[in-house]
Amino acid sequence: KAGVTQTPRYLIKTRGQQVTLSCSPISGHRSVSWYQQTPGQGLQFLFEYFSETQRNKGNFPGRFSGRQFSNSRSEMNVSTLELGDSALYLCASSLLSGESTGELFFGEGSRLTVL
Amino acid sequence: DAKTTQPPSMDCAEGRAANLPCNHSTISGNEYVYWYRQIHSQGPQYIIHGLKNNETNEMASLIITEDRKSSTLILPHATLRDTAVYYCIAHNQGGKLIFGQGTELSVKP
Repeated sequence: KAGVTQTPRYLIKTRGQQVTLSCSPISGHRSVSWYQQTPGQGLQFLFEYFSETQRNKGNFPGRFSGRQFSNSRSEMNVSTLELGDSALYLCASSLLSGESTGELFFGEGSRLTVL
Repeated sequence: DAKTTQPPSMDCAEGRAANLPCNHSTISGNEYVYWYRQIHSQGPQYIIHGLKNNETNEMASLIITEDRKSSTLILPHATLRDTAVYYCIAHNQGGKLIFGQGTELSVKP
């Protein structure tokens, strides 16, 4: 069974640009959560989608957005990039909504560098 | 979700049991204790979780005190591959999973 797939694995952007990251969950999983990981702040929750609906949202500015498609694949977008957005962005899937279970399956992450 | 407290780092000799403590003194009755680990440059990996009773699976054992204010994750025979950051999370099944700073476990030969 394939795991959670995130693309791209690495990318470099400049300030002011926007970026879209993609996540394909484990087959059959309907929930996708996104996390940002930085050395200073650790793992921080961005948002969770379940059946194409945003179920939970973390404390991030509106520049961070996401969506989920009918096949459960998810994308997150960051607009007007800032240097502080440099981070590892992790996607996690679960069979049920994260509100029901804390057992998440994480991908390898997309490492974003903003110059 | 309740706040958890873990030591920032620990060492363990290869082949010995690694006992990772976690304090969650403000945990509420409906919050589960979850453990994850993150090996360098990889995504976190689920290990085990429990509510009141001790739990064991192929990876580890989870011992929760009777008052539920603390718990211990036990890796019975640590190997070099167990070197990772271990996160203890008190999770309300109605809320989002919140990771703290974790314990950096170094397994040494």
